[in-house]
Amino acid sequence: QQQVKQSPQSLIVQKGGISIINCAYENTAFDYFPWYQQFPGKGPALLIAIRPDVSEKKEGRFTISFNKSAKQFSLHIMDSQPGDSATYFCAAIPGGYNKLIFGAGTRLAVHP
Amino acid sequence: DAGVIQSPRHEVTEMGQEVTLRCKPISGHNSLFWYRQTMMRGLELLIYFNNNVPIDDSGMPEDRFSAKMPNASFSTLKIQPSEPRDSAVYFCASSLTGGPNTGELFFGEGSRLTVL
Repeated sequence: QQQVKQSPQSLIVQKGGISIINCAYENTAFDYFPWYQQFPGKGPALLIAIRPDVSEKKEGRFTISFNKSAKQFSLHIMDSQPGDSATYFCAAIPGGYNKLIFGAGTRLAVHP
Repeated sequence: DAGVIQSPRHEVTEMGQEVTLRCKPISGHNSLFWYRQTMMRGLELLIYFNNNVPIDDSGMPEDRFSAKMPNASFSTLKIQPSEPRDSAVYFCASSLTGGPNTGELFFGEGSRLTVL
């Protein structure tokens, strides 16, 4: 049962461009929304996270935009670099629990 | 500091054999998770423990799968008997519940299982 829907499945961006990955959820009990980055042969690692009381969070070239009323959130990667090529997972955690529910993942390729 | 340590990194076995995957969480973490990753189903939570107690095992596929956490520094995921459809990368992750970074999971590098 996929409770977090992620799109697109794959994304190709030119170096210097903006990468945008979108996620949507239905369970209003979710109260923490992290993004994980996974390189081939490695486990996922936390990239950036947001709570629903803010609409945007920025860390360097990475920004999460959050729309609570629409139950959607997105990751923007500014000035995308070849080193950003990886699989990105959005996720959500219901309040009071520590159970991370992942989206299906987006495979990003940044071409030089 | 050492991260989450998983073993073996790669396992190739034949259908019907028993498989045991091992995990050592980060010292001081009180939650441990087992995930399975496949191309078709993505990252699926199999089971998670809090303070060594299984809290949610609803993701365990069937009775062939079992997980234990005998102490705070060790967990196992066992598949018996294994089937080809169990082929996947199995990740262990740990976290500190209730700390300032609640919700951040630290993943190991995974155990890639191939069942022939």
